[in-house]
Amino acid sequence: AQSVTQLDSQVPVFEEAPVELRCNYSSSVSVYLFWYVQYPNQGLQLLLKYLSGSTLVESINGFEAEFNKSQTSFHLRKPSVHISDTAEYFCAVKNAGNMLTFGGGTRLMVKP
Amino acid sequence: SQTIHQWPATLVQPVGSPLSLECTVEGTSNPNLYWYRQAAGRGLQLLFYSVGIGQISSEVPQNLSASRPQDRQFILSSKKLLLSDSGFYLCAWSKAALYDYGYTFGSGTRLTVV
Repeated sequence: AQSVTQLDSQVPVFEEAPVELRCNYSSSVSVYLFWYVQYPNQGLQLLLKYLSGSTLVESINGFEAEFNKSQTSFHLRKPSVHISDTAEYFCAVKNAGNMLTFGGGTRLMVKP
Repeated sequence: SQTIHQWPATLVQPVGSPLSLECTVEGTSNPNLYWYRQAAGRGLQLLFYSVGIGQISSEVPQNLSASRPQDRQFILSSKKLLLSDSGFYLCAWSKAALYDYGYTFGSGTRLTVV
């Protein structure tokens, strides 16, 4: 069975500072990796995904994540955060079973 | 384009009352459908998923049930709500047999049992 671990439940950071949200997964087979963002009282929105090819994937709002197979990680980064990035972020992994397994979520709190 | 609708957005129900939350998907056929719950301060808990009409898999035994009366309709129900049923309920869909496709979520229902 696969599992996803998000090591930090909360990450406070000041505006314009860099941030990294950590995600590690366990799976014995090839996987597809996703990051979702959830703003307060809303559903989850897909932020970015890794399927194959380049290990670095980017979103339209400046986030990026790097797939590291040897470390089984898919950490999410942004070089400079904004107040509007305050949200909960979920890492997820899918294998050929077509079911997504989610991590426990990381609450990003951007302070002015 | 595909869209997912979930309603109501908020609901306040007394303990012991019934529950019915509805989710519909448009613009696709034979989707996989999912119900998740988020309790306060906790992550996503998969409650039910369905790969076809009348086919429901339960992940967690509890006070809730799900039904899929039509291809693109997924209903979450309870005969008698408990205080512990409070939470944020999310419906999601995915394309069957497309492994590189993630889930698309509805906007959620905030259920408060009082």
